[in-house]
Amino acid sequence: GAVVSQHPSRVICKSGTSVKIECRSLDFQATTMFWYRQFPKQSLMLMATSNEGSKATYEQGVEKDKFLINHASLTLSTLTVTSAHPEDSSFYICSASGKAITEAFFGQGTRLTVV
Amino acid sequence: GQNIDQPTEMTATEGAIVQINCTYQTSGFNGLFWYQQHAGEAPTFLSYNVLDGLEEKGRFSSFLSRSKGYSYLLLKELQMKDSASYLCAVREIHLSGNTPLVFGKGTRLSVIA
Repeated sequence: GAVVSQHPSRVICKSGTSVKIECRSLDFQATTMFWYRQFPKQSLMLMATSNEGSKATYEQGVEKDKFLINHASLTLSTLTVTSAHPEDSSFYICSASGKAITEAFFGQGTRLTVV
Repeated sequence: GQNIDQPTEMTATEGAIVQINCTYQTSGFNGLFWYQQHAGEAPTFLSYNVLDGLEEKGRFSSFLSRSKGYSYLLLKELQMKDSASYLCAVREIHLSGNTPLVFGKGTRLSVIA
């Protein structure tokens, strides 16, 4: 299957700082990337969908000014958690899909801990 | 909108067969997926159904009935390493044209000796 690389896998940051998470499709053109968040023992919650070259579509309840998404190329999307707070501590996972691709491929996930 | 229901937890014996059910309601159905997720890791793809019927892949099979909004994942010859969460996900077609996967809460399967 296709490969999606997400970096970093783990990050600890201080409250009030910003953290950037990268998601790269290594062997296909990801026209669409999805960002999910998963709290312990809960399922993946879709945060936003980003299409290459256009603004991201955010799900209800997700603050677009806090979770900045950029999808400037067909192989890279970034999620920046701005002014992070302890309640933002979670597992963030990206998923990428391309034209004529049936399934969405997941990155390895990023464990964010805000202290 | 969507509503995806699956059991929270299940326990089964090594070597046995287990069926994990999933029911869904969605306004724009474009396929149903099953993923396996071990704690702290990303989900891994197991199966995909877009037409009614059974898809078999080794020890795993998945069934879909679109008219009933129902799917199940069947795991045969259970092994201890099958202990994980199993996520049912529906791909929706949104008005924006985006087709995200929307996940159920997952079923935590424990395989015991």
